[in-house]
Amino acid sequence: DQQVKQNSPSLSVQEGRISILNCDYTNSMFDYFLWYKKYPAEGPTFLISISSIKDKNEDGRFTVFLNKSAKHLSLHIVPSQPGDSAVYFCAAGASGSARQLTFGSGTQLTVLP
Amino acid sequence: GAVVSQHPSWVICKSGTSVKIECRSLDFQATTMFWYRQFPKQSLMLMATSNEGSKATYEQGVEKDKFLINHASLTLSTLTVTSAHPEDSSFYICSARVPGRYEQYFGPGTRLTVT
Repeated sequence: DQQVKQNSPSLSVQEGRISILNCDYTNSMFDYFLWYKKYPAEGPTFLISISSIKDKNEDGRFTVFLNKSAKHLSLHIVPSQPGDSAVYFCAAGASGSARQLTFGSGTQLTVLP
Repeated sequence: GAVVSQHPSWVICKSGTSVKIECRSLDFQATTMFWYRQFPKQSLMLMATSNEGSKATYEQGVEKDKFLINHASLTLSTLTVTSAHPEDSSFYICSARVPGRYEQYFGPGTRLTVT
């Protein structure tokens, strides 16, 4: 039972355009959400997070949107840069569960120059 | 801030031997660390939650006698793969949670190859 789903295994966008990565979840107990970026043979790097009391959080080129009713979140990267090419994982957690994170399967983003 | 290191970054061992992987939080104290395993082109699979000064909590299907976890201090957790077999070959990643924060910070990972 996948509680966090990233249905697009890959995404290609042109440099300078917007990249939109999507994530869906099923567990209504999740109350905080995070995005990580991962290069091959490296550990994930934390990008941005959002708690369930918000519907938007912005940090530079990265914005995360949360739609609780749809159990959906998205990561917007604008403008996209070639260095953004990596695998992006969304993760979700519930405050009362030892702060464990459940990860999606990842989306490979390729930004074309 | 929030830097996590892992050692070694890669290791090759013979079947039947044991391998220890260290995870350190370098600039903060982590009461909770996590160990993950990643298979090629797959997501991160949580193996266990390591709590300083107490026994680790293992996820369903993870053999606690095979994957020994010790969290003896607020900055160090170790994962020992005992009697390693080729099917244990994988990418092992640890993370640490900054107290009071939601996000986990990950180490660079350890590539284990069992021959």
